[in-house]
Amino acid sequence: DAKTTQPNSMESNEEEPVHLPCNHSTISGTDYIHWYRQLPSQGPEYVIHGLTSNVNNRMASLAIAEDRKSSTLILHRATLRDAAVYYCILSDGNNRLAFGKGNQVVVIP
Amino acid sequence: DAGVIQSPRHEVTEMGQEVTLRCKPISGHNSLFWYRQTMMRGLELLIYFNNNVPIDDSGMPEDRFSAKMPNASFSTLKIQPSEPRDSAVYFCASSITGTGNEKLFFGSGTQLSVL
Repeated sequence: DAKTTQPNSMESNEEEPVHLPCNHSTISGTDYIHWYRQLPSQGPEYVIHGLTSNVNNRMASLAIAEDRKSSTLILHRATLRDAAVYYCILSDGNNRLAFGKGNQVVVIP
Repeated sequence: DAGVIQSPRHEVTEMGQEVTLRCKPISGHNSLFWYRQTMMRGLELLIYFNNNVPIDDSGMPEDRFSAKMPNASFSTLKIQPSEPRDSAVYFCASSITGTGNEKLFFGSGTQLSVL
């Protein structure tokens, strides 16, 4: 499986935007970029996914580099409820998502 | 929609006992996944079913672990005999398989403690 690299942790101030980077230099042409997050004591939750174009939904935006070797998850206005571990994952079409360590996001009031 | 339902929410057992974890996927979903999460190893995929058939069980750690999906609405993960190192949170997830861009929906997990 193609792998991703994320920071171990990040801090953000409440009500400010948060940019979560992800590197995936070995991505193949058919790999989708998925983002999930896991709040404390809960199962992972889908956030967003994309292939080539930038994507927006009610939770976040996903900016994908033109060469697809990196992407950024953008939370437009962080709230305390956004404190979670965020996972950047590549899917090769078999739906077997391999979760890494993720990026622990701390939101400071 | 009730989402993916797992039971029990918590399980405490003694080493050597049999443990059965249960999962009800979202109606209409044709793929089901069992994951295990520990501090040391993070989230690991144990087994993956598609249309009730096990497709990939390469993540199942040992023969002590077995999983079944007798129908589209129910799956079990069994550990026999259980050991303290099996202590973890076990998640079940379901999705609709297709082109690779599907979403996985996770249950709330079963916190297993083997004493």
